[in-house]
Amino acid sequence: DTEVTQTPKHLVMGMTNKKSLKCEQHMGHRAMYWYKQKAKKPPELMFVYSYEKLSINESVPSRFSPECPNSSLLNLHLHALQPEDSALYLCASSHPGSGANVLTFGAGSRLTVL
Amino acid sequence: AQSVTQLDSHVSVSEGTPVLLRCNYSSSYSPSLFWYVQHPNKGLQLLLKYTSAATLVKGINGFEAEFKKSETSFHLTKPSAHMSDAAEYFCVVSDLTGTYKYIFGTGTRLKVLA
Repeated sequence: DTEVTQTPKHLVMGMTNKKSLKCEQHMGHRAMYWYKQKAKKPPELMFVYSYEKLSINESVPSRFSPECPNSSLLNLHLHALQPEDSALYLCASSHPGSGANVLTFGAGSRLTVL
Repeated sequence: AQSVTQLDSHVSVSEGTPVLLRCNYSSSYSPSLFWYVQHPNKGLQLLLKYTSAATLVKGINGFEAEFKKSETSFHLTKPSAHMSDAAEYFCVVSDLTGTYKYIFGTGTRLKVLA
């Protein structure tokens, strides 16, 4: 299995809602990432988990809350978002210490905040 | 510090003609370099990677790139463009020190004309 699976593919939420994005990989990768991508821009790093511990938080607002329940799963909990948070959210994984340390991306979750 | 510059934000080619997407990088370490492709509303797919082995790297779908240390370049080429190559292309640099930081270029949008 060489895939990163993200659910849901599309999410529409109001500013008072609580929702979660989910990401799963079964490649044995021990680093998992959340990126945010706005239209016509490159992905921006939000969080990195390494061996299930939060390794990097790029000063992301607290309305985004990551969680890594185990080495295969990564969640992003969303609460009280703003319309400007509408974007494509990409999950990725890599295997630290392996050769090129290639990032493998999921297909993304398209989030719209009303 | 690492950085990557994609010299063209848009490139248009006719179907069947060669493709050249340019990327220059800066890195204090021996870098790993990647090219990713992103079709509309999709995740990023790895085209190819360079990791200090052969300087000419072959990737998927007929793409290749040459690492030129003296020019700090890693340009992406394809001999003959196909309509399905129309997409956004990102050049990415990373180092092997395990910082989990991948630096993305700003992207090049490739348009293929019939």
